[in-house]
Amino acid sequence: KQEVTQIPAALSVPEGENLVLNCSFTDSAIYNLQWFRQDPGKGLTSLLLIQSSQREQTSGRLNASLDKSSGRSTLYIAASQPGDSATYLCAATNTGGFKTIFGAGTRLFVKA
Amino acid sequence: EAGVAQSPRYKIIEKRQSVAFWCNPISGHATLYWYQQILGQGPKLLIQFQNNGVVDDSQLPKDRFSAERLKGVDSTLKIQPAKLEDSAVYLCASSLLLRGPGNTIYFGEGSWLTVV
Repeated sequence: KQEVTQIPAALSVPEGENLVLNCSFTDSAIYNLQWFRQDPGKGLTSLLLIQSSQREQTSGRLNASLDKSSGRSTLYIAASQPGDSATYLCAATNTGGFKTIFGAGTRLFVKA
Repeated sequence: EAGVAQSPRYKIIEKRQSVAFWCNPISGHATLYWYQQILGQGPKLLIQFQNNGVVDDSQLPKDRFSAERLKGVDSTLKIQPAKLEDSAVYLCASSLLLRGPGNTIYFGEGSWLTVV
């Protein structure tokens, strides 16, 4: 059974800092891994999707990496801004059944 | 392109009452998901449809929850009777495909349920 864990649960950083959010999964037989952003009272917005054959994906100041062998993914945010404050969730989709399992998220607060 | 639409946005009911949530996915999306998100937790998959067939409903409490996706488009999630622990946000999502490059999942704003 796939389990997804995100560390840390919460993070507070000053504006301009580069930061890394971590995601680990127990079953390496994944089809893809996605990173989402959730603002308070809102649904989830997809940020990056990494297929199992890929090592990383980039979008603007965001870079996500995937290491299936170690069961880890990281989301790197460069030059953080107060507008980046949100909860970031990762989700792994398994090859069998294509069920997408979410972590509990990392709550990020970027101080101006 | 219109996003995933959900209604109602907010609902307060008493325990043992029933409630229904409606979802209209992005046009052309074959896969539809219902997730339950309790405050402070990640979303938990309740049921996943591919067109109008069920792909996974292993975590759906079938004694009180039901869902259908008639004609492979809109979907309804029903809870009857509701319990206090059902208080959560119910998120509907859709993706173009179950697998392949179109697998990005798009979420609606959610339906907030409070059971008192």
